[in-house]
Amino acid sequence: SQQGEEDPQALSIQEGENATMNCSYKTSINNLQWYRQNSGRGLVHLILIRSNEREKHSGRLRVTLDTSKKSSSLLITASRAADTASYFCATDAATGGFKTIFGAGTRLFVKA
Amino acid sequence: DGGITQSPKYLFRKEGQNVTLSCEQNLNHDAMYWYRQDPGQGLRLIYYSQIVNDFQKGDIAEGYSVSREKKESFPLTVTSAQKNPTAFYLCASSTWGGYTFGSGTRLTVV
Repeated sequence: SQQGEEDPQALSIQEGENATMNCSYKTSINNLQWYRQNSGRGLVHLILIRSNEREKHSGRLRVTLDTSKKSSSLLITASRAADTASYFCATDAATGGFKTIFGAGTRLFVKA
Repeated sequence: DGGITQSPKYLFRKEGQNVTLSCEQNLNHDAMYWYRQDPGQGLRLIYYSQIVNDFQKGDIAEGYSVSREKKESFPLTVTSAQKNPTAFYLCASSTWGGYTFGSGTRLTVV
C-alpha cells in the first residue's frame, strides 16, 4: 500500500499567494522528507523532519509533522512563478528494514 | 561540485535489446538507488545497494539488473525481459540527511 500520499494532486495559485500541500502516511516513521522536481529533471531535497519534531523552517518553506494523525504539510509562502514544480513527500519507515517510499506528488503551478 | 551524474539523458531501445544506464557519484555515499518514474506518478524502487558488491531488489526488479563493483558506480541494465521499459529513470544516493538525485535518463522503446 502507498505510504506517502500527497493532497491535492494539483494546485494552481497566483504569484504571491501561499501554497499548502499535505502528505499522509500509514505506518510509524523515523523521518519524513519533502522533495521538489522540475519537469524532466531529478528530485531536489528540500527539508527533512524527524519523527520527534513538529515543525521546521527553511527560507519560505514551513513543514509540520503530526505523528498522531500520520500527516505532514508543506507550506510555501509568497510563492513565485519559479516555484512551479511537483512536490513529493518521502517517508522512512521506523520498522521493517530499509524502506523509503515516495508519494505520487502534488503538481504546483504558480501563475505570474 | 559533488553530485550524481546520469548518462545518457535520452536513450532509445529497440525491441529485444538490452541497454545500460550509467550512474556515477562523487559524494562518497555508501547507498545508491534506482527508481522508475512514469508520467504523473511517484517513484518506484527498482534496485538498491547499501555497500559495494551487494545489492537488493526493490518493488519492481523484474526485467532489470544492476552491479556495484565500485562505490562510485551503480549501472542499471534494462533487459529484453522488461516488457514496458519506456519511463524516466532516476539514480540516487543517500546519507542520513536525505537523497541526492541525478538528472535522470528518459528511456523510450522504438
